[in-house]
Amino acid sequence: GAGVSQSPSNKVTEKGKDVELRCDPISGHTALYWYRQSLGQGLEFLIYFQGNSAPDKSGLPSDRFSAERTGGSVSTLTIQRTQQEDSAVYLCASNAGGGGTGELFFGEGSRLTVL
Amino acid sequence: GEDVEQSLFLSVREGDSSVINCTYTDSSSTYLYWYKQEPGAGLQLLTYIFSNMDMKQDQRLTVLLNKKDKHLSLRIADTQTGDSAIYFCAGVDNNAGNMLTFGGGTRLMVKP
Repeated sequence: GAGVSQSPSNKVTEKGKDVELRCDPISGHTALYWYRQSLGQGLEFLIYFQGNSAPDKSGLPSDRFSAERTGGSVSTLTIQRTQQEDSAVYLCASNAGGGGTGELFFGEGSRLTVL
Repeated sequence: GEDVEQSLFLSVREGDSSVINCTYTDSSSTYLYWYKQEPGAGLQLLTYIFSNMDMKQDQRLTVLLNKKDKHLSLRIADTQTGDSAIYFCAGVDNNAGNMLTFGGGTRLMVKP
């Protein structure tokens, strides 16, 4: 597709269950970011992938959170043993890395609700 | 690494000018950005400024960059209710693989 695609758009889960959120970046984009945005709040950086470099995981809030990026394209954010405080919108974004203006393209987000 | 700060909230009346301010720490960022997030949507690039510029004007938007003070501002002239959104400034952290770092966002509320 032409833009960053995220799925599911909405996910309701029970506390303690694992969830996987998927991001399909724009084709050819080498950089991919995951952010979390709680209701009415700013962006909380989670993880950053850039090409073949080791990802910057410094924003992951706990070891229940992990992310991978297979083949330099699709990324999956996994949250294990979900807690109510994990409820938020998870935003994915991609760009061409250090080239051009560096404009970041965002998906519409995956809204996670943990009951 | 880069640290970007913004005020949380701004309220203006329709037709007034809005000024949203941002401070940053890493002066090596080649570009500085303003993103807009409308309710229920992802962020979209609103405008950007190259670091060797002091000012950029784009229709109702004016971006001012003070590199000495590491201060970036976005002025919206003749603010409309459709401008109500969250505005994020962002810079590039050249010491972290060109990672974009965002401020916390300023919620602009425009009253009719």
